[in-house]
Amino acid sequence: AQSVTQLGSHVSVSEGALVLLRCNYSSSVPPYLFWYVQYPNQGLQLLLKYTSAATLVKGINGFEAEFKKSETSFHLTKPSAHMSDAAEYFCAVSATGFQKLVFGTGTRLLVSP
Amino acid sequence: NAGVTQTPKFQVLKTGQSMTLQCAQDMNHEYMSWYRQDPGMGLRLIHYSVGAGITDQGEVPNGYNVSRSTTEDFPLRLLSAAPSQTSVYFCASKGTSSNQPQHFGDGTRLSIL
Repeated sequence: AQSVTQLGSHVSVSEGALVLLRCNYSSSVPPYLFWYVQYPNQGLQLLLKYTSAATLVKGINGFEAEFKKSETSFHLTKPSAHMSDAAEYFCAVSATGFQKLVFGTGTRLLVSP
Repeated sequence: NAGVTQTPKFQVLKTGQSMTLQCAQDMNHEYMSWYRQDPGMGLRLIHYSVGAGITDQGEVPNGYNVSRSTTEDFPLRLLSAAPSQTSVYFCASKGTSSNQPQHFGDGTRLSIL
């Protein structure tokens, strides 16, 4: 079975500061891992995905994530936060590619001027 | 390209009423899924389908029915609405390639009084 833990339901940063959103996973098989972003009143948009290729994955909007098997982690980072990054971010895991995603509880990113 | 279209966007029901949430995709995707999103719980899989005529249960299927008579449509039925089903419902679809992401609709916000 797969599960995801996102540490911190809310993360606050200043504009221009580093963004770090934490995700730890549990999987009985080599996992597929994803980060999605949700803007208010919208659906989920894929930021990036890990599918057993490179461990450092680059996504859209300047975000990237590093797969660390020894730490069972897939933390999301961005060097410099923008106001437009304020949204809710979800980490998800799947054992079968993109089908049957198991989501974390989400982290709301707040960006202050 | 419309992508995944969900209707209605908002709905208020009384306990015991029935309703069908509609989901349509125009990308000829084989896989379609329904999730519910509740505060602090992320998204949880209700039902999914791997193709026309084939459906299966996800994590939280009780109180919901689905059918898949065509590739394009995947309606979700609440037979007797309960207040516990108050949630935001998301439909998603994806193609058969493991590299293709899930595409999400904008959601249906459902309140059960």
